[in-house]
Amino acid sequence: GENVEQHPSTLSVQEGDSAVIKCTYSDSASNYFPWYKQELGKGPQLIIDIRSNVGEKKDQRIAVTLNKTAKHFSLHITETQPEDSAVYFCAARRRSGGGADGLTFGKGTHLIIQP
Amino acid sequence: NAGVTQTPKFRILKIGQSMTLQCTQDMNHNYMYWYRQDPGMGLKLIYYSVGAGITDKGEVPNGYNVSRSTTEDFPLRLELAAPSQTSVYFCASSSTGGTKGGYNEQFFGPGTRLTVL
Repeated sequence: GENVEQHPSTLSVQEGDSAVIKCTYSDSASNYFPWYKQELGKGPQLIIDIRSNVGEKKDQRIAVTLNKTAKHFSLHITETQPEDSAVYFCAARRRSGGGADGLTFGKGTHLIIQP
Repeated sequence: NAGVTQTPKFRILKIGQSMTLQCTQDMNHNYMYWYRQDPGMGLKLIYYSVGAGITDKGEVPNGYNVSRSTTEDFPLRLELAAPSQTSVYFCASSSTGGTKGGYNEQFFGPGTRLTVL
């Protein structure tokens, strides 16, 4: 099955600086890579995603890049703000036998924005 | 729309007890999922459903059962609770599973924190 590795587990940056979180995946058949943000006591919420036919996608201060050859993808947050503090999860879409595509998640990165 | 709702928010069980975690979505989504999240870990898929009357196992199904009698509801049943089932449980839904090239977003509920003592 799919295996997703995520680094670092904790990332502390100064407010206004950039943050980068990296993930690798094992299944070359995976073709959808979402990023979720989870605030304390809440469920994960999708912030950006990328399909395997695209190398980069940007949405305001957030961007995701994908290298299919190397099987890794990264989340980039620029001009970080206090409200960016949360746990971020990468995921890869994994095909399961029944036809529905559950997500395989990384272990998460706790992003801390220092004032 | 309320989105995905889960009850209860918290529960403490004794070993061997049983309970049902409730999940309801009002977005008319066909696909629904149950995940568990252990401390410091990502979410792992327990069971999923592609529509009413159809369910299938995910990555970690042992010790759980599900049913899907309606489009809206997808309850998760623990029959003989064990300490290893202490976790936070998330229900999610999406409009398709992506089998035909769709990549629809999964919407998550707020979670149920379960402790088995």
